[in-house]
Amino acid sequence: EVQLVESGGGLVQPGGSLRLSCAASGFTVSSNYMSWVRQAPGKGLEWVSLIYSGGITYYADSVKGRFTISRDNPKNTLYLQMNSLRAEDTAVYYCATPSPLSGAHDYWGQGTLVTVSS
Amino acid sequence: SYVLTQPPSVSVAPGQTARITCGGNNIESKSVHWYQQKPGQAPVLVVYDDTDRPSGIPERFSGSNSENTATLTISRVEAGDEADYYCQVWDSGSDHSYVFGTGTKVTVL
Repeated sequence: EVQLVESGGGLVQPGGSLRLSCAASGFTVSSNYMSWVRQAPGKGLEWVSLIYSGGITYYADSVKGRFTISRDNPKNTLYLQMNSLRAEDTAVYYCATPSPLSGAHDYWGQGTLVTVSS
Repeated sequence: SYVLTQPPSVSVAPGQTARITCGGNNIESKSVHWYQQKPGQAPVLVVYDDTDRPSGIPERFSGSNSENTATLTISRVEAGDEADYYCQVWDSGSDHSYVFGTGTKVTVL
């Protein structure tokens, strides 16, 4: 059974940093595409970042240069390093598995809340 | 960047049919996916590749895609279908980005 469990969220001051983790089971992170998607309070879904199985990474313009997606293959875990955080980064962050063929995200974690506030 | 537009809300009586649209430029050239999200929960994929359903999703959920509009249709609506619904495509051009629609709140009267 595929399972994704996010952790690492919390309260951080503007300009601060946070690293989110997504522990996977039931499949191999390094063999799949992996996404981070966020949802600000009361708002819609926003794609944040993608890592291909080959390791190529992509970012939304809103986080480019500030966020870094990576993975630890032995730990079968996906990460999102978030630096220079802003109030508008406040959101629930989900990790998910997009199909490499169509982009449909078929498995999602439960999400972790990041609050950027002084 | 590619934009997907959905109506903010749709209201439907139990047993009737709900149709949720997703507008995008020449969207028929892309594969459209639909997600259901209930309060406090992660999104769930209900339709992928325009018309296909993941296992476990009722046949009442169906999709179509033509010209500039994709549509999610929920037949014989039940109280449990009340949720937010999002469309999504993969903009595999230079940005390699996933784009979500603005979301539609379905209210069962």
